[in-house]
Amino acid sequence: DAGVIQSPRHEVTEMGQEVTLRCKPISGHDYLFWYRQTMMRGLELLIYFNNNVPIDDSGMPEDRFSAKMPNASFSTLKIQPSEPRDSAVYFCASSQRQGWDQPQHFGDGTRLSIL
Amino acid sequence: SQQGEEDPQALSIQEGENATMNCSYKTSINNLQWYRQNSGRGLVHLILIRSNEREKHSGRLRVTLDTSKKSSSLLITASRAADTASYFCATDPSRNSGAGSYQLTFGKGTKLSVIP
Repeated sequence: DAGVIQSPRHEVTEMGQEVTLRCKPISGHDYLFWYRQTMMRGLELLIYFNNNVPIDDSGMPEDRFSAKMPNASFSTLKIQPSEPRDSAVYFCASSQRQGWDQPQHFGDGTRLSIL
Repeated sequence: SQQGEEDPQALSIQEGENATMNCSYKTSINNLQWYRQNSGRGLVHLILIRSNEREKHSGRLRVTLDTSKKSSSLLITASRAADTASYFCATDPSRNSGAGSYQLTFGKGTKLSVIP
C-alpha cells in the first residue's frame, strides 16, 4: 500500500506569495494531521481532521494559514500571504481509526523556504 | 508547550554498541510512542507502550516506561550504521481522551549517530 504522499517536496517562493501544500493520506485512514517542524520549536501540530471534518485547529499560527479536506483522499494547507518565518518542513500524517493507541503514518514532508 | 523531552539531544556511538535515549514528560498519559526520522524523511513509528505496561520489546528495540517518574527509555541493542537517525518520543496526555481529542505531542528528539 502506498504511504502518505505529499507534494511538492520542496518549495521556494518570495514573501507575500500564496503557498499551497498537498497531501494524499493512506486509503482507509480516517484521521489526517498537519505538522510543522523547525529546529527551534520541533514538531508542532497545526490541525487535524476526522472523516474530512476539521476537529482541532488551535495549532494554526495565524489567519494566514488555512487547511481543507474536500474528500477522504486529499487535503491542502494554504499560506496566504507567506512570510519568511513560515519557512519550515511541513508534514502530513494519517492514522487508521480513532484511538490514542493508533500510530501515525507520515509523509516525507514539504520543505518550504520563504525568501 | 512540549510534553515530551528527549535526552540526550545528540548521541554518537560505535557500531555494535548499545544506544539509550530517554524521554521525560509532564502530565499523565494514555500511552507513549517512539518514532524514528531519517534525514530528509518523515517520521516512522517504532513502538508503542501503554500506561499500564512497564517494558516492551520489538526486535533490537527495548522500551521501558516509569509512570511514577514520568519517563521512558528507548534502548537499541547492537547498533548499526543504518540506525543513524533522530528519535522522538510522543505522548498522548490522558486528558485528551475525555475531550475526544487524539493528539500526539512530540519532543525535539535525540540525534543518534552510529559510526561504522
